Parts: sequence; C-alpha cells; structure tokens
Amino acid sequence: DQQVKQNSPSLSVQEGRISILNCDYTNSMFDYFLWYKKYPAEGPTFLISISSIKDKNEDGRFTVFLNKSAKHLSLHIVPSQPGDSAVYFCAASARGGSNYKLTFGKGTLLTVNP
Amino acid sequence: DVKVTQSSRYLVKRTGEKVFLECVQDMDHENMFWYRQDPGLGLRLIYFSYDVKMKEKGDIPEGYSVSREKKERFSLILESASTNQTSMYLCASSFRGPVNEKLFFGSGTQLSVL
Repeated sequence: DQQVKQNSPSLSVQEGRISILNCDYTNSMFDYFLWYKKYPAEGPTFLISISSIKDKNEDGRFTVFLNKSAKHLSLHIVPSQPGDSAVYFCAASARGGSNYKLTFGKGTLLTVNP
Repeated sequence: DVKVTQSSRYLVKRTGEKVFLECVQDMDHENMFWYRQDPGLGLRLIYFSYDVKMKEKGDIPEGYSVSREKKERFSLILESASTNQTSMYLCASSFRGPVNEKLFFGSGTQLSVL
C-alpha cells in the first residue's frame, strides 16, 4: 500500500515558467513533509520541508504548499531553470510515532527546457 | 559540509556471493539508513539504526542484514546475493532530535548481481 503517491512520473517545463510537482498521501498520521532533489549519479539532497501546522513554506524560488484536508502537497519552482532538471521525491514522516522514519514517493522527473 | 561516503560506486557480484556495502559519515550523526532505489519504485527503506549496535527493520529487510559497530559506520550485508537485489543502494545519515528527517545521502552504490 503506497502511502505517499507522486502520480506524475515526469514533467516538462520551459525555462522561466512555473514548475508544479504534486504529491498525495494517505496516512493521516503524517505530520511532516519534505522534498528531495536527485541528480543522476548523485544521492538525493534535501530541498525544502513543511510541518503540518503550516500551509506554506517558501525558500527562494521554491515554495511548498500543504492542504491537509485533501492530504495533498505541492512544490512550486518559480522561475524554473535548466539546472532544476532532476528527479524530485516527496517524503513524509509521522513525528508523533515511535520513530521518525521517512516514507518516500516514487519520484517525478522534471525536465526544464532552455 | 556533511559527508556520507559509500565505499564503492559500482559493484558486480555473482549470485550466491556474500556482499558488503560500507558507509561512513563524518558528522557524528546518530541515525543511519540504507535505502534502495529502483526505477518506478522510488526509495525504499531496508534497515536503519539509531545508535551503535542498534538496528531496526525498514520496509524491505528480507535478504539483508546490517552492522553498526561504530557510530560513524553502517554496513549493509547481502548474505547470499540474488539477481533481484540488483539495484542502486543509498546510505543516509541524520541527527537525532528536531528535524532529523533531513537526511544526508551518499552518492550511492550501483550493485549488479549476475
């Protein structure tokens, strides 16, 4: 049973436009959410996170939105740059649980075209 | 900068061999993790450790074991390698405590079992 879902395997965007990556979750115990970015031949790197007590968190060109009632979060990249081309993983954890294990989605490959 | 080092970038092994994947981190992190990444399946947690000599099963522990004799080192062991264990293996570490979901990943080991 997949608890964190990224339903779009890939997304293609023009440079300068907005990229929107989506993520849905099913476990209502999840209360902390993260996005990781992964380039080929490298390990994933942390990008941005959001706690369930917030509905928005912004860091430069990256903004994450959380809709708890819909169990949905999204990552907005504005403006998109060719260097943003990578696989983006959504992840979630249940901090109220006995550990802080992360559950990852399957990833979305973002391609930003010059 | 945090550094998580995986001993091998590429490994080719034969079915039935015992395989050791080594991971070392230099930031005195309490938590260490082993994930595998497969196309279309995302990142799946194999094992994790919160302290020296402590280990807990992740989502897919079958066919694997781990060892953590020193805080900085976490080893993944494939007792008898099989072809379905061909994958990209990623080691990660994090602090225990607030925001310990921020994982630092190594560059990965691409293991091929023939």
